[in-house]
Amino acid sequence: NAGVTQTPKFRILKIGQSMTLQCTQDMNHNYMYWYRQDPGMGLKLIYYSVGAGITDKGEVPNGYNVSRSTTEDFPLRLELAAPSQTSVYFCASSYSGQGAGSTDTQYFGPGTRLTVL
Amino acid sequence: AQRVTQPEKLLSVFKGAPVELKCNYSYSGSPELFWYVQYSRQRLQLLLRHISRESIKGFTADLNKGETSFHLKKPFAQEEDSAMYYCAPQGGKLIFGQGTELSVKP
Repeated sequence: NAGVTQTPKFRILKIGQSMTLQCTQDMNHNYMYWYRQDPGMGLKLIYYSVGAGITDKGEVPNGYNVSRSTTEDFPLRLELAAPSQTSVYFCASSYSGQGAGSTDTQYFGPGTRLTVL
Repeated sequence: AQRVTQPEKLLSVFKGAPVELKCNYSYSGSPELFWYVQYSRQRLQLLLRHISRESIKGFTADLNKGETSFHLKKPFAQEEDSAMYYCAPQGGKLIFGQGTELSVKP
């Protein structure tokens, strides 16, 4: 199993550009998540999904969009990149999670380091 | 409001010394409690989960419901324990602490 994979590893964007961060998992997990990690701030949940076709906002959703057309894929879209979106982005998945009766271990991807100039 | 605090940004100890990484949380309901670790240039991974009561790499975590704390402990730190550690109470809302960087010096 590859687990959770993310592409790209690094990206530099100019202000106003858009891009999609890709995330795929092969563990047949229902739950998938996007986090951003800023220095000294821990991880903040951007969006999550409880299954194909169902997504919901996390703590810091502004400036981002997601979709979940399949169980395996959960892309994150930045429409108009801003310097405040410079961060490391992590995708994760789990069997159960936010809002469920129990919360399971999350499995993380390697991260995407994004810089917006 | 759901909140988790890891009061130490950086904890530096010598090899063989005991180590304790503190985690205090405020959470309505009964969250499940996790510690995740991120070694240099690696992805975050589970270190331990309270419900399983396992000891991983010599680490244990004590849950104190009265103080709402979930401190991570190891009696003898090793150099390979150097990493970022995140406390994560997880329930209706998933939250992570700010992280503590543990540096174990030779």
